[in-house]
Amino acid sequence: QLQLQESGPGLVKPSATLSVTCIVSGDSISSGGYYWGWIRQPPGGGLEWVGSLYHSGSTYYNPSLKRRVTMSVDTSKNQFSLKLSSVTAADTAVYYCARRHWEELSDYFDPWGQGILVTVSS
Amino acid sequence: QSLLSQPPSMSAAAGQKVTIPCSGRSSNIGRNSVSWYQQLPGTAPKLLIYDNNKRPSGIPDRFSGSKSGTSATLGITGLQTGDEADYYCGTWDNSLNVVFGGGTQLTVL
Repeated sequence: QLQLQESGPGLVKPSATLSVTCIVSGDSISSGGYYWGWIRQPPGGGLEWVGSLYHSGSTYYNPSLKRRVTMSVDTSKNQFSLKLSSVTAADTAVYYCARRHWEELSDYFDPWGQGILVTVSS
Repeated sequence: QSLLSQPPSMSAAAGQKVTIPCSGRSSNIGRNSVSWYQQLPGTAPKLLIYDNNKRPSGIPDRFSGSKSGTSATLGITGLQTGDEADYYCGTWDNSLNVVFGGGTQLTVL
């Protein structure tokens, strides 16, 4: 059974770079033609797509975050990562990683990791 | 403001049926399939419906989805207290963006 687990610091200082990693178990990140993604949710708020990537390294970012986002994949460790630079309090959120099913007109996320709360504060 | 509109909250009696709407545009729902997610309190979202009306394995047939034009609907029959959750619709928008609705908090009376 595919499982995803986020890891990283729970506290980041303003103007610093947020860095979180998603460890994938139960299947190879390179198999099946799937994409992988990050979605975030501020406290008490809704879902916001951050970006997605393919195991080849191709990336797709939310246009509103594109200038600050970098995503990468490490197939040898079966994990992928998100870096968000120049963070502010508005970037405080639970960050979820998920497998993205994306082909033709079909686009959805399943399964999701449990999420990691990252707080931006000095 | 999200490109997909959902009512912030809805309520219905246990055992009854509820339909949660998701309104979009020609650039998103109008041309792409819709997915629905259930987020129970304190947990991660879980896929309920994909490709407008398909249920993943393990999702009971009390949950259904439909799409017409630029709107989609999630239906839940035989409401249970365990269905109290936030429900989100999602799709791809031609602005090169995955978009989600603002979420609907469902209360079972």
